[in-house]
Amino acid sequence: EAEVAQSPRYKITEKSQAVAFWCDPISGHATLYWYRQILGQGPELLVQFQDESVVDDSQLPKDRFSAERLKGVDSTLKIQPAELGDSAMYLCASSLEQGASYEQYFGPGTRLTVT
Amino acid sequence: GNSVTQMEGPVTLSEEAFLTINCTYTATGYPSLFWYVQYPGEGLQLLLKATKADDKGSNKGFEATYRKETTSFHLEKGSVQVSDSAVYFCALLKAAGNKLTFGGGTRVLVKP
Repeated sequence: EAEVAQSPRYKITEKSQAVAFWCDPISGHATLYWYRQILGQGPELLVQFQDESVVDDSQLPKDRFSAERLKGVDSTLKIQPAELGDSAMYLCASSLEQGASYEQYFGPGTRLTVT
Repeated sequence: GNSVTQMEGPVTLSEEAFLTINCTYTATGYPSLFWYVQYPGEGLQLLLKATKADDKGSNKGFEATYRKETTSFHLEKGSVQVSDSAVYFCALLKAAGNKLTFGGGTRVLVKP
């Protein structure tokens, strides 16, 4: 069964350093999502792509976060510089298309710890 | 704005006990409603969904009914197993939107 792949699974970094996460969605899925899940809370959407275009990045802290999906397939989320409050699980999800009719499939996540 | 409120955990049960996790929502229009489950060390998996009022979603012995009059989508299972130990998230998706809004999650621990 096809799955969403993410790497690394765990990342420890010092504050003020740069960090990057990678996501490979299920083949053929046009829509890709990055979520942040703070410990003990539900995931919050950071950014959504439709193919290579950003559909929604209203909750992305753009002063330090950036995301790209250059060829409309895999995606990278970057934080520079990292802050202590960025410690969280970063989840990637993909769906065939946008909308409630299309299930979002989640990857295993990258757990980030900023020291 | 949209929001989802679910009961705080942890919920600790014995095997074969009845499980209920309450979920209420605030949203304009007619959102779709979802329950996701997150097992330790894994990503979220869709457990069940309902797209309109009075719909009942069901999967793996779990059920939830979309109640528009009470803006609720409570999750139930008649006889839980140790393998049901996980964190459960209620979520909504607006009809014309793409962004899932999640509740805070409820941790369930089933003891043998």
